[in-house]
Parts: sequence; structure tokens; C-alpha cells
Amino acid sequence: QVQLVQSGSELKKPGASVTVSCKASGSTITRHAVNWVRQAPGQGLEWMGWMNTDTRKPSYAQGFKGRFVFSLDSSVTTAYLQISSLKSDDTAVYYCAGQPRGGVAFDLWGQGTMVTVSS
Amino acid sequence: DIVVTQSPDSLAVSLGERATINCKSSQSVLYNSNNKNYLAWYQQKPGQPPKLLIYWASIRESGVPDRFSGSGSGTNFSLTITSLQAEDVAVYYCQQYYDSPLLFGQGTRLEIK
Repeated sequence: QVQLVQSGSELKKPGASVTVSCKASGSTITRHAVNWVRQAPGQGLEWMGWMNTDTRKPSYAQGFKGRFVFSLDSSVTTAYLQISSLKSDDTAVYYCAGQPRGGVAFDLWGQGTMVTVSS
Repeated sequence: DIVVTQSPDSLAVSLGERATINCKSSQSVLYNSNNKNYLAWYQQKPGQPPKLLIYWASIRESGVPDRFSGSGSGTNFSLTITSLQAEDVAVYYCQQYYDSPLLFGQGTRLEIK
């Protein structure tokens, strides 16, 4: 069964950039969509947007337009989240979450990547 | 935006007793063409990613114990855990996936009384 494995924790300075990867183990990402979800320390889940794995078209939630970029490698095995001009407010755990075609919600989650932004 | 609001924010229930968490959406999430409610429930334990429990408001994900059940339609939904077990201590979230942005509720923390 496919699993989503994310890259390790990151410590970055304000203004820097970071890339979080989300790799399907042993397979392609067998999901219609890859969503990205942010969880600030002690807070709830915040949907950032999604990428259609067929069309490779990204869609960003309000508040995540401009500094956030979703991408997918050519083999459809790894999804990426790039964040530029990091701020302390970006300190959070970032999750990728797969969603199959047909509206079955987010049935496959990565383990999460902690990004800490501190000077 | 379709906002989802959970109640209560926290809940303490004795082992073996029933726990009920409510979720209300600001607009209907019932898709008339297939008569399905685009509402999901997730469980998140400390240090772990969320886990899908229920989708389409009432369909249990494979492997989820049958003490978990979802109900409701339109704008009002509930997650019920019958006979609470110690391993059910977690934060529970509802989410509407009817329309973008796919918002989550604020979460309900479930503890043992």
C-alpha cells in the first residue's frame, strides 16, 4: 500500500526559502489530488490548497498565494511545497495529504514536516 | 467560504460511555446529483498526522472500529463514539470538501473523565 513520506525537519532564518517534499513509497502518487495542510504549534488544521496530479494545476487558498508554490515531479512520485521569504508565522508542521478521485476526502497523509523559522 | 464550526471545543467522557461531537456548516454540503454529503471526520493523536475516520458524513474508512459512526445531512453533522476507549483520546476535526476552500473545523479535544 502506498505511503507518503515527507522530508525531515527544517530550521530556517527569516527571509530564507524552504522546500518540503512528499514522496510516494514504492509507487506513483496514486491519488487524484495532493493537498497541503498547515498546523501551527498547538493550533488546528489549515488547508493551504491542492495540486491536481493529472493536470498538474495548483490551486491556492487565500492567504497562501504568492510565497507558496506546489509542484510535482515528472514521474508523479514526489510532490513539493516551496515557501519563500519565510516569516516566523510560517513556523508549523506541514502535511501533504492525498485525495482519491470521487470525493473520499483525504485518505492518505504524510507524517508531517516541522519547519521552524527563527533568527 | 463554507465555514464549519464544531461543538464543544473540549469534552471529557468516562471510559465505556458515549461521546458525541457536533459539526455545523455555514451552507449545505449535500451534493444533490449524487445525494452525498461532502463532510469528513479526522482523528489526530499527539505527534501524529490526522487519520481519516469518516467520509461522506457516515461512511467509515476501512479499518476504523465500528464504535465510530457519523450522521447528519445538509448542514448539521455528528460524530459519535460509543463505548469510549483509552486509545480514543485525541483531537477530532470535521472538514467540508464540498467546495474550495476545504475548511476544517477548529477541533474538539476528547479526554477521559
